[in-house]
Amino acid sequence: GQQLNQSPQSMFIQEGEDVSMNCTSSSIFNTWLWYKQDPGEGPVLLIALYKAGELTSNGRLTAQFGITRKDSFLNISASIPSDVGIYFCAGTANTNAGKSTFGDGTTLTVKP
Amino acid sequence: DAGVIQSPRHEVTEMGQEVTLRCKPISGHNSLFWYRQTMMRGLELLIYFNNNVPIDDSGMPEDRFSAKMPNASFSTLKIQPSEPRDSAVYFCASSFGQGEKLFFGSGTQLSVL
Repeated sequence: GQQLNQSPQSMFIQEGEDVSMNCTSSSIFNTWLWYKQDPGEGPVLLIALYKAGELTSNGRLTAQFGITRKDSFLNISASIPSDVGIYFCAGTANTNAGKSTFGDGTTLTVKP
Repeated sequence: DAGVIQSPRHEVTEMGQEVTLRCKPISGHNSLFWYRQTMMRGLELLIYFNNNVPIDDSGMPEDRFSAKMPNASFSTLKIQPSEPRDSAVYFCASSFGQGEKLFFGSGTQLSVL
């Protein structure tokens, strides 16, 4: 089945630093999505990308849909303590009836 | 909108007991998904419904698991009999359309002793 490789697995950064994480796949996706999960809660959608090369921002977050349609990255600028959580990438493909495949997540810790 | 509502938030049960998890999707959404999250396996899709009809249940671990969606505003995931290895957080999510943008509930933390 389709698999997503998300990296890094975890990050420990200082408040104010920028963060970058990415997802790669061996197969093509039609949609890339990024979610954030806070402790004790379900994932919440941050950004959705629909076209190869698309670059989308949501506040301090920026995500891009890779040209090859096999990868995506998420950047967080000027991190703050509330950015702490687990970030998941997810992809959907027409060949998979629109089901989302999730990466294993990147756990972000921000030190004040 | 209240979002996706799951109950209970926490469930502790003994091995062999029946467990029923409940979900109310966002009104107007026509797709509903059940996911299981563990440290070892991450987020796994168990089953999803479109317009109340099960479309893909290939992720359901075994016959002990069953899911129903009797109407557009309610779904259940049942485990009978439960086993310790079923301990996990179970999420329900809903979407409009085929499920690109998922809206998750807060999950049910299940512990089977």
